[in-house]
Amino acid sequence: GAVVSQHPSWVICKSGTSVKIECRSLDFQATTMFWYRQFPKQSLMLMATSNEGSKATYEQGVEKDKFLINHASLTLSTLTVTSAHPEDSSFYICSASKQGPSTDTQYFGPGTRLTVL
Amino acid sequence: QKEVEQDPGPLSVPEGAIVSLNCTYSNSAFQYFMWYRQYSRKGPELLMYTYSSGNKEDGRFTAQVDKSSKYISLFIRDSQPSDSATYLCAMRRDYGQNFVFGPGTRLSVLP
Repeated sequence: GAVVSQHPSWVICKSGTSVKIECRSLDFQATTMFWYRQFPKQSLMLMATSNEGSKATYEQGVEKDKFLINHASLTLSTLTVTSAHPEDSSFYICSASKQGPSTDTQYFGPGTRLTVL
Repeated sequence: QKEVEQDPGPLSVPEGAIVSLNCTYSNSAFQYFMWYRQYSRKGPELLMYTYSSGNKEDGRFTAQVDKSSKYISLFIRDSQPSDSATYLCAMRRDYGQNFVFGPGTRLSVLP
């Protein structure tokens, strides 16, 4: 199997607070994890690529000081939205890369819905 | 021109119909292709994975890649209401490169 979990599945917070989202690969080790953002009825927008033990690579336009990513182990990556504002409200999805015989495949978590009041 | 394009739909079909979902792309170097299904408010679920040109079948699903036309398709036979979802295509050039996702096509299968 290839199961990826996310926690929490939804969170509501006040403006100015920080929120941490966890992404875990449950039955495989993932050297690379990805964080996406998705607005309603729109496609996935890659925010950053996270490799275990090293700094994340952020996509152009994504504030690395606002979206802190930590990939401390082969099964866990965290995204912390710092000083959240209403415009940060979105659906955040992680994925983990699983190695196969000839290539790797991305498996997605169920997503976390963040609402900032 | 976007790197990967999909008709956003919505595409509505009656139950039992054959559904054809398509993506076009501009980068001829893409050689790894995937199809994902995403239900509302859920993460995408991997359906099919193909390398280079050709067909791949898995149950009711068939993925087809035509690299000469830069065109990939996903066919769903005997469509069911439970197939109603958004279908995303994704592709990349080489092993280790990030995948580029299409915007998705919303499919509605009517009972």
